Amino acid sequence: QQQVKQSPQSLIVQKGGISIINCAYENTAFDYFPWYQQFPGKGPALLIAIRPDVSEKKEGRFTISFNKSAKQFSLHIMDSQPGDSATYFCAASTGRETSGSRLTFGEGTQLTVNP
Amino acid sequence: DAGVIQSPRHEVTEMGQEVTLRCKPISGHNSLFWYRQTMMRGLELLIYFNNNVPIDDSGMPEDRFSAKMPNASFSTLKIQPSEPRDSAVYFCASSYHQGTYEQYFGPGTRLTVT
Repeated sequence: QQQVKQSPQSLIVQKGGISIINCAYENTAFDYFPWYQQFPGKGPALLIAIRPDVSEKKEGRFTISFNKSAKQFSLHIMDSQPGDSATYFCAASTGRETSGSRLTFGEGTQLTVNP
Repeated sequence: DAGVIQSPRHEVTEMGQEVTLRCKPISGHNSLFWYRQTMMRGLELLIYFNNNVPIDDSGMPEDRFSAKMPNASFSTLKIQPSEPRDSAVYFCASSYHQGTYEQYFGPGTRLTVT
């Protein structure tokens, strides 16, 4: 019930291409869906996030698409660059007052963008 | 502003030894999280605190692991005795639990138990 399933496990894209990473969840109480980016040797950092009242959010080359009925959300990276090579984690939270801002993370996707 | 500070950055110890990892959250944040990251299991939440109180420690692997948060600016994660399977990167993260759920991660402590 608390799991977030992420795919693919790894992804190789050519420079300028579109990277797409997908996540699915079961818990309908989730109301916050962030994506985190992690470079080798660093901690994850928030990239972009969405709430279920919108179907899409765009920030620069990064877009989250959200399908509430299918309980799925995805990250699209347009014009992928070698500097985007990192591990990407989707996550979800219920954000309930009593439970704090606990995040449930997906398994991660290792993205490689070839020059 | 300084981000989340963790120490040590690297720790190598022998099986059976006690290990203490330290974390200083971002000033003003009232939630603190300890995670463990491995290739096999990904990013796992071990325990988290709200206002220095442990809320959920169901992710703590076993009694060898313990965590404390004596005040708003300091937390420790202790493993006693350590085992080779505890080798991982341990992250501390903090957030301000009021309207936003963004967690800010520290640089991590890479623990190797031989």
